[in-house]
Amino acid sequence: GNSVTQMEGPVTLSEEAFLTINCTYTATGYPSLFWYVQYPGEGLQLLLKATKADDKGSNKGFEATYRKETTSFHLEKGSVQVSDSAVYFCALDLNQGGKLIFGQGTELSVKP
Amino acid sequence: GAVVSQHPSWVICKSGTSVKIECRSLDFQATTMFWYRQFPKQSLMLMATSNEGSKATYEQGVEKDKFLINHASLTLSTLTVTSAHPEDSSFYICSARASGVTGELFFGEGSRLTVL
Repeated sequence: GNSVTQMEGPVTLSEEAFLTINCTYTATGYPSLFWYVQYPGEGLQLLLKATKADDKGSNKGFEATYRKETTSFHLEKGSVQVSDSAVYFCALDLNQGGKLIFGQGTELSVKP
Repeated sequence: GAVVSQHPSWVICKSGTSVKIECRSLDFQATTMFWYRQFPKQSLMLMATSNEGSKATYEQGVEKDKFLINHASLTLSTLTVTSAHPEDSSFYICSARASGVTGELFFGEGSRLTVL
């Protein structure tokens, strides 16, 4: 079946550290891939997306590249800030219809 | 940006009662809304797809008589948990897909249901 697997959290980093959150997927077709962020007490917000292989999504210093050969969409940021502390969800959409399949979420905590 | 609002954000009820959760798109029309359920430290699981003016499409394993979904207008979908039991306690999240070509998706803040 179709699924998304993320690395387990929580991830704790110091400010300005490099961040990687791994995400791999299993899909029968060619999905669009997304990263969503959920700040404490708020709803999910779209962070970035990629709709086809080799596309790179980027926003707010975060990047992720759609790797079809490894079925991965790892999230990276070169220098995290305390304000990046949140839960990050990787997700896929098989048919562009908005019906998302989510990973389990990875909690990131950035310490000053 | 576009906003999706859920109400209530937190509800506690007694076992056997029914609870209604609203999902509103505040500044755009949404022909399609989605309802998810999230258990602590777990992923969002899609429960159903709600289309304005038609019956909801439920995911496998979701009891349609237990979780009643109504999408009566282009800005409002409701989820009613009927005869709630403690195992229905969870975080319920809706998303709304904007009408039009881009069909951007926006999420509500979620509603936490606790059944005593």
